Amino acid sequence: EAQVTQNPRYLITVTGKKLTVTCSQNMNHEYMSWYRQDPGLGLRQIYYSMNVEVTDKGDVPEGYKVSRKEKRNFPLILESPSPNQTSLYFCASSSRRGFGAFFGQGTRLTVV
Amino acid sequence: AQKVTQAQTEISVVEKEDVTLDCVYETRDTTYYLFWYKQPPSGELVFLIRRNSFDEQNEISGRYSWNFQKSTSSFNFTITASQVVDSAVYFCALSEPSDRGSTLGRLYFGRGTQLTVWP
Repeated sequence: EAQVTQNPRYLITVTGKKLTVTCSQNMNHEYMSWYRQDPGLGLRQIYYSMNVEVTDKGDVPEGYKVSRKEKRNFPLILESPSPNQTSLYFCASSSRRGFGAFFGQGTRLTVV
Repeated sequence: AQKVTQAQTEISVVEKEDVTLDCVYETRDTTYYLFWYKQPPSGELVFLIRRNSFDEQNEISGRYSWNFQKSTSSFNFTITASQVVDSAVYFCALSEPSDRGSTLGRLYFGRGTQLTVWP
C-alpha cells in the first residue's frame, strides 16, 4: 500500500530538548516536504527536498532542520524546541510536478 | 499576499442542503495546478481533486463537483445533498511548477473552511 508514515503521532516535550520526527515514503517519490498547520493559518511549508541531498527552505524554516540522506526518508529535526513550535506537522511526498501530494497522518507536537 | 484565499472560515448547513466552498487563487504562471483536500476530525489530509490550468471543464464525482473559472481565478467546490460525514475542514491549494525552479512538491494552501453538517 502506498503511504507516507510519520512517527510519532503525538509528542509532548519540554523546551530545549532536541527531537526528531521521522517521515518515510514507500512510493519512490523524489519530492518530499514538511508542513505545519496552525489554527487560522492553514498549512505552511517548512522545508522541502527535491531529491537525495537536495533540500531548501520553505516559508517558515526557522528553528527546524532537515536531511535527505535516503530517498525514502525525510526527518524533521528540532534542535531546541520552543513553545511556538507547538503545532500539527505533516510530511508529504509527490512523484512529479503537479500531482497531488500524499500526506502522512500528522504529528501533533506540544512543547511546554 | 495570500496565493490562495478561502474567504469562508466556517460554514454550517443542515443535512441534505447543498453547499459551495469558495477558493480564489493568485498566480502569474500560465501553467499551474489546483487541489482540494479534506481534513476530517481525525486529522489526516485526504486528496480530493487536482485540476491543471489548461483544463477548465467542470468535474463531478458523486455528490462532489468543482467549478474552475480562470477568468475569475476561482476553483469552487460544491457538495450536493450534504451529509454529516462531510463535516471537515476543506483546504484549497495551488502548485506553481515554475516557482523559483522548485519542484512540485510545493503546495500553497488556503487557510481552510470548516464545514459542519448538522443532522
